[in-house]
Amino acid sequence: GAVVSQHPSWVICKSGTSVKIECRSLDFQATTMFWYRQFPKQSLMLMATSNEGSKATYEQGVEKDKFLINHASLTLSTLTVTSAHPEDSSFYICSARDPASTGVSPLHFGNGTRLTVT
Amino acid sequence: AQTVTQSQPEMSVQEAETVTLSCTYDTSESDYYLFWYKQPPSRQMILVIRQEAYKQQNATENRFSVNFQKAAKSFSLKISDSQLGDAAMYFCAYRGGGSNYKLTFGKGTLLTVNP
Repeated sequence: GAVVSQHPSWVICKSGTSVKIECRSLDFQATTMFWYRQFPKQSLMLMATSNEGSKATYEQGVEKDKFLINHASLTLSTLTVTSAHPEDSSFYICSARDPASTGVSPLHFGNGTRLTVT
Repeated sequence: AQTVTQSQPEMSVQEAETVTLSCTYDTSESDYYLFWYKQPPSRQMILVIRQEAYKQQNATENRFSVNFQKAAKSFSLKISDSQLGDAAMYFCAYRGGGSNYKLTFGKGTLLTVNP
């Protein structure tokens, strides 16, 4: 089945630094990827929709200058948390859409990245 | 905007018994899709079952089935013969029709399975 690889799985960074999270579709070309944020014991909140070759579409309330999304190729989208602060500590999950899938649910999730900002 | 409500933060069930998780949603769309996802401690999102709104027949996947009540905007998940491996967080999710593939999730229900 379709595989989405997310890297790193866990990262610790110091306050004020930036951290990049990668989301790769390993065996399909993902024209669209989604980035979610999940606080402990809470739901997944959509942050942005990433389309290959164009600017990401951010959900209301998400700072686009803080959470930089780049979808430069059909197999890679990156989320960069700039000038991270402790309140940015969270679990970040990406999902990728397989356009070749004709099913109802062509979305495949990565394993997530746990970000801890100290 | 669409909203998904899961009114049960936590549920527990005895092994081999049946449990039902509740989900309601609000939408003005006529074409949409509903999903149940399982998130075990590994945090990997696993699709359990899906339902197209235009289908009247309730979806079934082995021990998992749904009760889809379109008029009531209700989409509950029934787990039969519960197993220890079913213990996880369960999220109900909504997706609009057309080419919009983004999902709106409920807050989740933490299911505990007691041996």
